[in-house]
Amino acid sequence: NAGVIQTPRHKVTGKGQEATLWCEPISGHSAVFWYRQTIVQGLEFLTYFRNQAPIDDSGMPKERFSAQMPNQSHSTLKIQSTQPQDSAVYLCASSLGLGENTLYFGAGTRLSVL
Amino acid sequence: GQQVQQSPASLVLQEGENAELQCNFSTSLNSMQWFYQRPGGSLVSLFYNPSGTKQSGRLTSTTVIKERRSSLHISSSQTTDSGTYLCAMEPGTGSNRLTFGKGTKFSLIP
Repeated sequence: NAGVIQTPRHKVTGKGQEATLWCEPISGHSAVFWYRQTIVQGLEFLTYFRNQAPIDDSGMPKERFSAQMPNQSHSTLKIQSTQPQDSAVYLCASSLGLGENTLYFGAGTRLSVL
Repeated sequence: GQQVQQSPASLVLQEGENAELQCNFSTSLNSMQWFYQRPGGSLVSLFYNPSGTKQSGRLTSTTVIKERRSSLHISSSQTTDSGTYLCAMEPGTGSNRLTFGKGTKFSLIP
């Protein structure tokens, strides 16, 4: 079990460019979560899926952020027209989604918007 | 408002001392989870603790739902325990979404 895999580990974009972040959850996990982490705000919830269906996207900045889960083995987070305030570590996590719902986090993607 | 209050924000102890970290929550709870993070590292799950006490080695987690608090006790702390400890609550609403505290930055003096 390789754990939750996130790619790329680091991404640098210019202001106004698009960034796509990838996540491969642990096989057999039905719930997939996206969080972002900054020093000032800490860990902020963005969105989550259960059995590939979007359940709660209340943490997503609506205009430029979108998330997809086209199949059970990967999810993407897309940020259009990136801004410097989007700079953060974006974390993906997965869990069984039932019973003891322990979250397992990936190593994160550090996004830097210049 | 902030649903999870974590304290202290930072803690510096000498090696060998015991540490007590606290989380208070303001809404109904399904579970409390505790995580550990090294600087620049990923979050590692320590405990899934909906209620009562759980122990793993030198770490003990206690969740008291009636008092709306959860604690993490580190006994005989070692330099390898340094890092940030975060608690996260899963609400009792059926949502799997976790709300995190701001974390306790824990440092050890050899």
